[in-house]
Amino acid sequence: DGGITQSPKYLFRKEGQNVTLSCEQNLNHDAMYWYRQDPGQGLRLIYYSQIVNDFQKGDIAEGYSVSREKKESFPLTVTSAQKNPTAFYLCASSSYPANYGYTFGSGTRLTVV
Amino acid sequence: GENVEQHPSTLSVQEGDSAVIKCTYSDSASNYFPWYKQELGKRPQLIIDIRSNVGEKKDQRIAVTLNKTAKHFSLHITETQPEDSAVYFCAASRQLQGGSEKLVFGKGTKLTVNP
Repeated sequence: DGGITQSPKYLFRKEGQNVTLSCEQNLNHDAMYWYRQDPGQGLRLIYYSQIVNDFQKGDIAEGYSVSREKKESFPLTVTSAQKNPTAFYLCASSSYPANYGYTFGSGTRLTVV
Repeated sequence: GENVEQHPSTLSVQEGDSAVIKCTYSDSASNYFPWYKQELGKRPQLIIDIRSNVGEKKDQRIAVTLNKTAKHFSLHITETQPEDSAVYFCAASRQLQGGSEKLVFGKGTKLTVNP
């Protein structure tokens, strides 16, 4: 999938549950990002990480958490504090600096049931 | 912070016509402007980009123009085909502490090319 893999493709969450979305890249990119996509809203940044063991909040970080223990991996946890988690989640990575654009994963569609 | 406005939100054209999508940005320090195409249910894919030291770039039927003074850039698609139907996103770079950059995206334009 172009060097960046997201799993699962579809995920269903019950009310009050935490769920974790996986993102793995083999592009040797330093920076990784998580975006949320809702219809008509475009791409909104949740968290980003420029290097291992470091990450920063984006524009809509409330109710989400991340870790960056390895360069290749940047998992996103959607916690029970996120009241409206149903959305399409996209992970991306880029070289440092990001002047060559992002490579996106194929996305995870999360639905609350 | 950086803000990217994209217009129109929807665009319908006849096959063979041209399509133009426009974006404006607010951060004068932005120096990289990519365009992504996203087909239904798929990931965004980079189709063309432009850097601030260039005013225009062309790749077959698609072109991008940049006016740094006015802080706007545009995507032009000529001789549109049904397979051009998708959502198109513009983006502008924004410097982060630590030296790397992030992209700020417009809200997207849904382009429909009618046969």
